[in-house]
Order: sequence, then structure tokens, then C-alpha cells
Amino acid sequence: AQSVAQPEDQVNVAEGNPLTVKCTYSVSGNPYLFWYVQYPNRGLQFLLKYITGDNLVKGSYGFEAEFNKSQTSFHLKKPSALVSDSALYFCAVRDSGSGYSTLTFGKGTMLLVSP
Amino acid sequence: NAGVTQTPKFQVLKTGQSMTLQCAQDMNHNSMYWYRQDPGMGLRLIYYSASEGTTDKGEVPNGYNVSRLNKREFSLRLESAAPSQTSVYFCASRPGQGLQYNEQFFGPGTRLTVL
Repeated sequence: AQSVAQPEDQVNVAEGNPLTVKCTYSVSGNPYLFWYVQYPNRGLQFLLKYITGDNLVKGSYGFEAEFNKSQTSFHLKKPSALVSDSALYFCAVRDSGSGYSTLTFGKGTMLLVSP
Repeated sequence: NAGVTQTPKFQVLKTGQSMTLQCAQDMNHNSMYWYRQDPGMGLRLIYYSASEGTTDKGEVPNGYNVSRLNKREFSLRLESAAPSQTSVYFCASRPGQGLQYNEQFFGPGTRLTVL
């Protein structure tokens, strides 16, 4: 069975500094990985995905993610954090058991960017 | 386009009461999903409908039923609510099968409290 782990419940960073939110995965077969963001009292919004190809994936709002097959990681990054980036971030992996119809989500990492 | 809409936004029930959460999407998506979000647990899939006319259990289906009324609408029913079902419920939809269509689009959520 596939799974994702987000080892940090919370990440704190100062505005203007680079940020990283970590995700590791476990799948059988090729991994298809996603990042979503959730702002307070809102639904999840899609940020970016890795299907195949370049290991550095660019997404919305200046975010990017680095896929590393040897380390089974898919860390979310941004070169310069904004206070408005403060939100809950979820990593997810496509499930193979449902005919690729569903995603398994990590538990989420709260990102807090201080002014 | 309104995207994915959910009603109601908030609901308080007493133990044993029943209710139906409604979800509709206007994006002509084939697949629809119901999740629950609990603190520290991430998103857990309750039921999904890969296409009109089909429904399947997710990770936590006990105590819930679903109906895919038509291509647009996917409802979630609690027949006899329990305090353990206090949660935030999200509906999501996805264009269809195929690798390039794997992003899910989320509704704003329904916050349910069972007393």
C-alpha cells in the first residue's frame, strides 16, 4: 500500500527566508505525487504535481518541489517566504489500488511565516 | 463556474439524528469524493465515485452512505449521527481517468458537530 509521511507538524520561517516542507513517500511502482495548500476555513487548493520528467516541478504562488527517487522524497520549497504563505500544506500520492482514482494524503504540515 | 459547492456550511446534530450533506460540481467532472478532516489525522477518504453510476468505499466508510445522483451531484448521508462523526467534511471532484487528470478540486467544506 502506498503512503506519504510529513515528518514535521509545524515549520516556522521568517519572511524573506527560504522555506522547505518535507514529504517522503512509499509506493509500489512509479510515484505520482501532489502538494495541496489549505488556508484557514477553506478547502484544499492544488499547488503542483509530479508525474514524470524533470525532478524540479514548478507550481502556483512561486512554489516548487524537488522529486528525489533515491531518497523517496518530494519536498516543497519556496526561495522567499511570504506571511501570506502561512497555511496548512498536504502532500499526497496517487493510489494504485483504486484504479488510480484516489489519493492518499499525509497528515499535513502547518507553515507559519513570521513578519 | 462555481466549481465545487457544498451545503450546508455548518450543522449541529444530536446523537442519533440523520442528515445529508450535499455536493455539486459544474465542471463536468467524472469522479467525485467525500473526505473528512480531523486534527492531526489529515484527510481521510470516506467514499468515492469514479464515474456516474458507481460508488466505492474509502478508508473510513462506516456510518456513512453515499448517492451519486447524477454526474453533477454526490451526497453523503449520516443515518444515525455519533459524536465520533464530528468533523469537517470536504467534497472533491476530478476530471476523469488518465494520468494527466489526477488533480482533485475541493469544495469549501461542511463543519459538522454531533452532540
